[in-house]
Amino acid sequence: DVKVTQSSRYLVKRTGEKVFLECVQDMDHENMFWYRQDPGLGLRLIYFSYDVKMKEKGDIPEGYSVSREKKERFSLILESASTNQTSMYLCASSLSGLLYNEQFFGPGTRLTVL
Amino acid sequence: EDKVVQSPLSLVVHEGDTVTLNCSYEVTNFRSLLWYKQEKKAPTFLFMLTSSGIEKKSGRLSSILDKKELFSILNITATQTGDSAIYLCAVEAWAGGTSYGKLTFGQGTILTVHP
Repeated sequence: DVKVTQSSRYLVKRTGEKVFLECVQDMDHENMFWYRQDPGLGLRLIYFSYDVKMKEKGDIPEGYSVSREKKERFSLILESASTNQTSMYLCASSLSGLLYNEQFFGPGTRLTVL
Repeated sequence: EDKVVQSPLSLVVHEGDTVTLNCSYEVTNFRSLLWYKQEKKAPTFLFMLTSSGIEKKSGRLSSILDKKELFSILNITATQTGDSAIYLCAVEAWAGGTSYGKLTFGQGTILTVHP
């Protein structure tokens, strides 16, 4: 079974703090993704990575950065948290290549910025 | 810009009812359409559709894709309270001949099944 784990289920931070969200997958997947999920907006892609040290901007990268130093780990960084970054954050991973491969999701981190 | 629209946004039914969830899309270089179910945790994969007219089925759930009209439907027959969840539709597009599996999601449909 593919396992995608996220470091925290719930997190409360103050405005201006630096926030790290960690995601680890155990199936040797090349691709990893960070989404945020807000009511009525669905899942929106923040950043994704298709290889170690590679990253691509998604649809809403402003205010975020990412790091992928090892294949199994993909970190999302909020350099200076703001209240509009209060959201559910979901990490996902998938195999690369020409096969049709679905994304496997972690349980999510509900971040509240006060 | 790729776009996925789901309808209805929310639906309340009683156990035993049949429901149809809709997903329409506009995407350049379509590769696949996926359905996920999300309860109070990680979305779980239901179906991947790549070809028109071929129904995918799993128990009481089924789904079909129409690539000409650019939509998909997810049917759930004889609904149960355990079907209560958010149902997410997502479309994957080819990017320059390869795909990194980048998905564009719809807003989701919140299904509530009452006993």
